[in-house]
Amino acid sequence: EVQLVQSGAEVKKPGESLKISCKGSGYSFTSSWIAWVRQMPGKGLEWMGIIYPGDSDTRYSPSFLGQVIMSADKSISTAYLQWNSLKASDTAMYYCARRDSSGNQSWFDPWGQGTLVTVSS
Amino acid sequence: QSVLTQPPSASGTPGQRVTISCSGSSSNIGSNTVNWYHQLPGTAPKLLIYSNNQRPSGVPDRFSGSKSGTSASLAISGLQSEDEADFYCAAWDDSLNGYVFGTGTKVTVL
Repeated sequence: EVQLVQSGAEVKKPGESLKISCKGSGYSFTSSWIAWVRQMPGKGLEWMGIIYPGDSDTRYSPSFLGQVIMSADKSISTAYLQWNSLKASDTAMYYCARRDSSGNQSWFDPWGQGTLVTVSS
Repeated sequence: QSVLTQPPSASGTPGQRVTISCSGSSSNIGSNTVNWYHQLPGTAPKLLIYSNNQRPSGVPDRFSGSKSGTSASLAISGLQSEDEADFYCAAWDDSLNGYVFGTGTKVTVL
């Protein structure tokens, strides 16, 4: 079974750093892109960007470029999303999702269970 | 902000048919396939429809998708109480060089 398991909820203060994780199993981790998606409280889904664990090629949404860092460690089949200095506005649920495709068509499936990040003084 | 527009809400009684629209542009829906995700309360989103009208294994045939030009739609026939969820359309956008989600539609079963 293809599965993505994310790290647990985090509570941080403004200005602190954070790295959350997404571990893939049941498929070749290096051969599929992994996306990160933000969902702020009570709001919709926002695509943050995508990373290819095979060579760490990364594409950021313009809204998130410079705000977060995506990385991957293929030796342990894990993708990461990192902040160097958190803001209260980073409070949200963060999901990772695997890109599946057929030809030039693609979609995201499955999704991780989500990591809730709360930033508060 | 979202570049795909959906109605904020839709509702129906059990057994009814509900349709959700998704309006985009030539750079997204007009030139790429549309996917639909649903999110039950308190859970992660899940793929519902891919490549405009394909259902993943396990998704009931009550759910169907279609696309025409720069718009797409999701139909739920035989509405059931467990269909209460948020539904999002999505597509790749060639201008933004990224993936975009719709604004989301909350489906309520009356």
